[in-house]
Amino acid sequence: SQQGEEDPQALSIQEGENATMNCSYKTSINNLQWYRQNSGRGLVHLILIRSNEREKHSGRLRVTLDTSKKSSSLLITASRAADTASYFCATADVSGNTPLVFGKGTRLSVIA
Amino acid sequence: EAGVAQSPRYKIIEKRQSVAFWCNPISGHATLYWYQQILGQGPKLLIQFQNNGVVDDSQLPKDRFSAERLKGVDSTLKIQPAKLEDSAVYLCASSLLGGVSTGELFFGEGSRLTVL
Repeated sequence: SQQGEEDPQALSIQEGENATMNCSYKTSINNLQWYRQNSGRGLVHLILIRSNEREKHSGRLRVTLDTSKKSSSLLITASRAADTASYFCATADVSGNTPLVFGKGTRLSVIA
Repeated sequence: EAGVAQSPRYKIIEKRQSVAFWCNPISGHATLYWYQQILGQGPKLLIQFQNNGVVDDSQLPKDRFSAERLKGVDSTLKIQPAKLEDSAVYLCASSLLGGVSTGELFFGEGSRLTVL
């Protein structure tokens, strides 16, 4: 079964606006990761946040993690048309016995 | 540094035929994964190798799917016989570490399978 559930399933915004995607998960985690997938391509790692971290930044990306609510959010600021892609959260279970599990993703469309 | 290489990129077969996908991970990466991604969904793990040993194959349909990683480097995923529901993109990924230290995964471009 898939661990993470992204929300919304699809998001359409204008270039320059901010995009926020949310991820909820069910079990305790070691870390949570976000990936981007352009149409017809493989996944690309964006950012990893550990269970003892609350916020992390990378360029125009900001990720938050709330382990009490078992949720994470990915914020893309000043979006560009090139940000159009599917975004997936993936969780690494705290037990270490299960590999990375991906959610169903959020499809982001940035309109120029 | 070369990325994860996969071939073929596209394959179309009839149901009940067989198909094989090949993956060459990033040099030095001990852990190799095969994921299945059905259209509109997230990747689902099929099998994880640590060097040339299987760590997790609990979601691999073993009656038709098989995978091997000879010498702890390249890997092959085979489907025989294929079913219509096997139509998907098969993604190979590698990482330096696995298990509780699961870090960044590096993905190949994927092999898109269409079963008619």
